[in-house]
Amino acid sequence: DTAVSQTPKYLVTQMGNDKSIKCEQNLGHDTMYWYKQDSKKFLKIMFSYNNKELIINETVPNRFSPKSPDKAHLNLHINSLELGDSAVYFCASSGLAGTDTQYFGPGTRLTVL
Amino acid sequence: RKEVEQDPGPFNVPEGATVAFNCTYSNSASQSFFWYRQDCRKEPKLLMSVYSSGNEDGRFTAQLNRASQYISLLIRDSKLSDSATYLCVVRESSGDKLTFGTGTRLAVRP
Repeated sequence: DTAVSQTPKYLVTQMGNDKSIKCEQNLGHDTMYWYKQDSKKFLKIMFSYNNKELIINETVPNRFSPKSPDKAHLNLHINSLELGDSAVYFCASSGLAGTDTQYFGPGTRLTVL
Repeated sequence: RKEVEQDPGPFNVPEGATVAFNCTYSNSASQSFFWYRQDCRKEPKLLMSVYSSGNEDGRFTAQLNRASQYISLLIRDSKLSDSATYLCVVRESSGDKLTFGTGTRLAVRP
């Protein structure tokens, strides 16, 4: 059974387009996250949600908008895609914010042409 | 100065070798420390937490020196399957934010 799943796995799109990445966890966790891993493999947190409420927003451009319809889902919508948005985006979840291990999804490789 | 610094490597070692990775962190108020492992084109996975008293899990030993703000990971008797990138990770004292180092790449050769 997949614990944290993301769709799509690969996304290739043109500059200026709007795209969404979906994330679902079946672990019953309260907290979900989005991370970005750039071409230099540096992994950096973007957002964190706890029970559908935003708790971390790391100075990400407002073209990025997370949406949490329920605590098992955290989707990432990106408007007006730019070349610099090309990266691997990882979703993660944890049981108890601030204490528990974070479990990562398989990643979505976004390429902006 | 980066918040979490690691030697990027790569460390290229023969099977059976012992290899050590080091990591330093800048925020003295950091609360929790971890080593994650990331295989090529895969997601990071928790390898082990790091405690002040030091902890061991099979061939892996992690150490934390709070005074020096230094974390280490020792791998004994390296296996081919240990080839991966090892990420040093620090949790801040407040909130849930994990800060990742850029990772140290390990390649174990036959």
